[in-house]
Formats: sequence, C-alpha cells, structure tokens
Amino acid sequence: DAGVIQSPRHEVTEMGQEVTLRCKLISGHNSLFWYRQTMMRGLELLIYFNNNVPIDDSGMPEDRFSAKMPNASFSTLKIQPSEPRDSAVYFCASSLGRDNSNQPQHFGDGTRLSIL
Amino acid sequence: AQKVTQAQTEISVVEKEDVTLDCVYETRDTTYYLFWYKQPPSGELVFLIRRNSFDEQNEISGRYSWNFQKSTSSFNFTITASQVVDSAVYFCALSERTGGFKTIFGAGTRLFVKA
Repeated sequence: DAGVIQSPRHEVTEMGQEVTLRCKLISGHNSLFWYRQTMMRGLELLIYFNNNVPIDDSGMPEDRFSAKMPNASFSTLKIQPSEPRDSAVYFCASSLGRDNSNQPQHFGDGTRLSIL
Repeated sequence: AQKVTQAQTEISVVEKEDVTLDCVYETRDTTYYLFWYKQPPSGELVFLIRRNSFDEQNEISGRYSWNFQKSTSSFNFTITASQVVDSAVYFCALSERTGGFKTIFGAGTRLFVKA
C-alpha cells in the first residue's frame, strides 16, 4: 500500500513568493496532520483535520499560513507570502479512526522548504 | 496542559551496548495514549509503539522494550544490544482524549551508535 505522499520533496524559493505544499493521505484514512520541524522548535503541530474538517489550527503561526482539504484524500498547505523564517521541513501525516487520539500517525517523507 | 519531556538531548553508545531513552509526560486526563517514533538520518518519521493509559504492561519487540510506569509518569524505551542502524532521533509523544485529539511530541533524543 502506498504511504502518505508529499510533494515536492524540496522547495527553494525567494522570500515573498507563494509556496504550496501537497499531501496525499493513505487510502481510507480520515485524519490529516501538518507538522513543521526545525532545529530550534522541534516538531510542531500546525493544523489537523478530521473528515475534511479543520479541528485545531491553533498551531498555525500566522495568517500567512493556510491549509485546505478539498477532498478526503488530499490536502494543501499554503504560505503566502513566504519569509526566510518559514524555512523548515514540513511533514504531513494521516491516521484512521473517529477517535484519533489512540491511533498512530503515518508520516510522509516531508518537504524541505528553504526561503531565501 | 499536556507536556512531554525528553531530558536527554543526545546519547552516544558503542555498538552492542544497551541504551535507555527517557520520556516523562504530564497530563490531567485519565485516558491518554503514549507513542514512540523513530526518525532515522533519512528524515522520515516511523511509528514504533502505542500504549494506552490503562495498559501498564511492558512490551518487548525484538531488541526494543518499553517500560510504562504511571506512578512516575514515564514511558522509557530501551534498546538492547544496540546496532549502528539504531542511530536516529527518537520522539516520545502524548495524545489526550480531551485534548482535541492533539498529539504533542517531545523534543527528541538523538542516539548515536558507534561501531
């Protein structure tokens, strides 16, 4: 079975540009999580969805960040405009179940984002 | 509020040594779940184990074992006879039923296993 698929794997862009990160969930999973990983702050949960509905977006750093789930199997995380401090590895993860607190999350390989 | 502390930032051992990674958590919930994930140098995060708050049985899987003690709010991870391939960052994580299903990760412990 295919795992969580993220694209692109690497993105280098100039500050001020719009960045869109993409994630395809594991088939049948109904929860989607976006994380950001940096050396300084570790692994931070940005937002998560259950059945396409955003449940908690308190980790989204500011209005420049937005996430959507246009359908049950796909999500995007957009940064507009991007800034150098957004440079990080962004992970997407999915899990299965109504009560997701007890379900392991399956992670994609991450997108390494560099904003110059 | 939920919190996960991995006090060991880095650990370095020689192959075949046993090593224990510590994890201490804080929660007010009576129902919660604990996880360990591994992040090898290639960068992906791999799920290792899940334990719920009502199951304090220790678990062994090959060279890996986990010790869950509610009395000390700890969920420690031991690798027996470590191998170079065990070199990775290991994350402990906590998820509360009443926490909006949010999973909080510890800062991670970087393990170096030298040949």
